[in-house]
Amino acid sequence: AQKVTQAQTEISVVEKEDVTLDCVYETRDTTYYLFWYKQPPSGELVFLIRRNSFDEQNEISGRYSWNFQKSTSSFNFTITASQVVDSAVYFCALRDTGANSKLTFGKGITLSVRP
Amino acid sequence: GAVVSQHPSRVICKSGTSVKIECRSLDFQATTMFWYRQFPKKSLMLMATSNEGSKATYEQGVEKDKFLINHASLTLSTLTVTSAHPEDSSFYICSARIVTGQGALVTQYFGPGTRLTVL
Repeated sequence: AQKVTQAQTEISVVEKEDVTLDCVYETRDTTYYLFWYKQPPSGELVFLIRRNSFDEQNEISGRYSWNFQKSTSSFNFTITASQVVDSAVYFCALRDTGANSKLTFGKGITLSVRP
Repeated sequence: GAVVSQHPSRVICKSGTSVKIECRSLDFQATTMFWYRQFPKKSLMLMATSNEGSKATYEQGVEKDKFLINHASLTLSTLTVTSAHPEDSSFYICSARIVTGQGALVTQYFGPGTRLTVL
C-alpha cells in the first residue's frame, strides 16, 4: 500500500523568508513517481513538479527547489524568498506505474505568507 | 497545456435532488478519468476511476448507487450525486489521464473543481 505523509499541517512565514515543506512516502514499488501540487484558495490544483524514482537529481526552478532523497523516502519542497501569492495548500503525491496506477495524496500543508 | 473543464463550478441544491457534474478534456482524449472528493481543509480522496465505455471502479467505501459515473466518450465523464443530502456537500474534482509515447509517459490533468452545497 502506498502512503504519503506530510507531517506539517500549517506553516506561517513572513514574506521573503525561505520555507521548506516536508514529504515522506511509502511504497513497495521500485518504480514510482512523486509530485507536488499547489491548491490556491480558488481550489484548482496547480501542478508544480514530477519526479521519477530513478532520477534523484534535485532541481531548482526559479524560487522553487526540490530535494528527493530515495534513501530516506523523502521529497521535500523549498520556496525561496516567499511571496504572499505563495499562500496556498501544498500537496505531495505518489503514483505507481501499474496499469491501474492511482495518485495517493498527502494531507496537505497550508502555507500562509504574511506581508 | 492540456485543459480539463468542469461544469458547473458551483451548485446549490435541495436535499433529495440529484446533481450532475460534467468533466471534459478540452484538447485531448483521456484514456482514464478520475473523480475525487475533498472536504474543507482535507486532502483529495479518490472516489472512482473510469475508463471510456466501461463501468467505473469505485474505491472502498464509496457508494456506487449514490455516486453514478458515466464515461460516455474519451472526452467526457459525468458524476451524478443521486438523492443528495447535506453530508454530500463537498468539493468534487475530476482528473483526466493521457498516456503518450507508447505508454511511456502518463500525465494527469485536474479540473477546477465543483463546489456542491446541499441544503
